[in-house]
Amino acid sequence: ETGVTQSPTHLIKTRGQQVTLRCSSQSGHNTVSWYQQALGQGPQFIFQYYREEENGRGNFPPRFSGLQFPNYSSELNVNALELDDSALYLCASSPSLLAASSYEQYFGPGTRLTVT
Amino acid sequence: RKEVEQDPGPFNVPEGATVAFNCTYSNSASQSFFWYRQDCRKEPKLLMSVYSSGNEDGRFTAQLNRASQYISLLIRDSKLSDSATYLCVVNIGSNYQLIWGAGTKLIIKP
Repeated sequence: ETGVTQSPTHLIKTRGQQVTLRCSSQSGHNTVSWYQQALGQGPQFIFQYYREEENGRGNFPPRFSGLQFPNYSSELNVNALELDDSALYLCASSPSLLAASSYEQYFGPGTRLTVT
Repeated sequence: RKEVEQDPGPFNVPEGATVAFNCTYSNSASQSFFWYRQDCRKEPKLLMSVYSSGNEDGRFTAQLNRASQYISLLIRDSKLSDSATYLCVVNIGSNYQLIWGAGTKLIIKP
């Protein structure tokens, strides 16, 4: 196990609602990256947080937002949910920004979100 | 054109066979390359990094051709436990983001 935990494991929401997903990074890791993985696709980068600041963002609309806390845990918030938001949401923690771009990404088990 | 493209699957292969996965990337500035494995309904896990000189880890061999912007993964003597989706991953280097292919599903049959 990687030591990265995510909650909840599964979630069902209706269109238009808001959702918050949580990620606890591995001890000593200051960088968290969030990914969206639709069925049959590879993970798509949403954004990354480094020491409580957003460090980069993928091609996702502003209704996807996030936070990183002083203990480096992180939240992903999605407003005005759409059917296409149904996916597996993965977070990965890394001991540094440089490590995040290499092999040192430790993934959590993911949160499976279903929007009806 | 997608930034990272992989063979569409699935690959149905008998146990013991050799399997080859191909991947191409569009950005010539790409600097780091990886193969990940993802089991059904699980998170991705790093299988191996890919180095310019090529590298091998047991039954697995990875190759990189920068001129052709092409990456490959070879699995020899395939086992039932190799059944999974194999994802090609690239880092451009100007930022710290990883770009993922859609993955190729491998099914090993007894």
